[in-house]
Amino acid sequence: GEDVEQSLFLSVREGDSSVINCTYTDSSSTYLYWYKQEPGAGLQLLTYIFSNMDMKQDQRLTVLLNKKDKHLSLRIADTQTGDSAIYFCAERGRGGGADGLTFGKGTHLIIQP
Amino acid sequence: EPEVTQTPSHQVTQMGQEVILRCVPISNHLYFYWYRQILGQKVEFLVSFYNNEISEKSEIFDDQFSVERPDGSNFTLKIRSTKLEDSAMYFCASSASASIQYFGAGTRLSVL
Repeated sequence: GEDVEQSLFLSVREGDSSVINCTYTDSSSTYLYWYKQEPGAGLQLLTYIFSNMDMKQDQRLTVLLNKKDKHLSLRIADTQTGDSAIYFCAERGRGGGADGLTFGKGTHLIIQP
Repeated sequence: EPEVTQTPSHQVTQMGQEVILRCVPISNHLYFYWYRQILGQKVEFLVSFYNNEISEKSEIFDDQFSVERPDGSNFTLKIRSTKLEDSAMYFCASSASASIQYFGAGTRLSVL
């Protein structure tokens, strides 16, 4: 079945860029997503990319998609303490209808002062 | 900004009891979903619902689970006879077009 893998932890200094990586196995993925989860909160949709795109930029966030390698990354520029959270990569296949998303385990982003 | 609302935020129940988790999706959305996240594990898809019927379900969604949209606003997940291993965070999500899903804050279910 489909699988999504992420590193569990990433530690960066405040002001640096954070790059969170994700790999997936489903070559028929149509959409790929990044969700953010702060302590005690739900899953907040950060950004998404359609599978026919290579890159998407939204303010401090840049998403890069390498379909050949099935690799997705999220870059957060000028990382702030408020960016401290768990970041989940997720993908949606081409099954049609109301497909469920397949999630990674999440990457804990730790900000050092 | 419209959001998905889930109640209660925390539900404690005894093993073997029935529980109903409630969700109010975003008002103009047509697709509804339930996911769960066991502590320390991945968020897992349970079921999707569209046009008043189940659209897709995972292997986890067995006969102990059911979903319902009893009125125009609520979407519920029922677990008939809870087991210890049902303890998890349950997330509801909704979508206007099945492409972008918006999640609620979750209900933490603790089965004792």
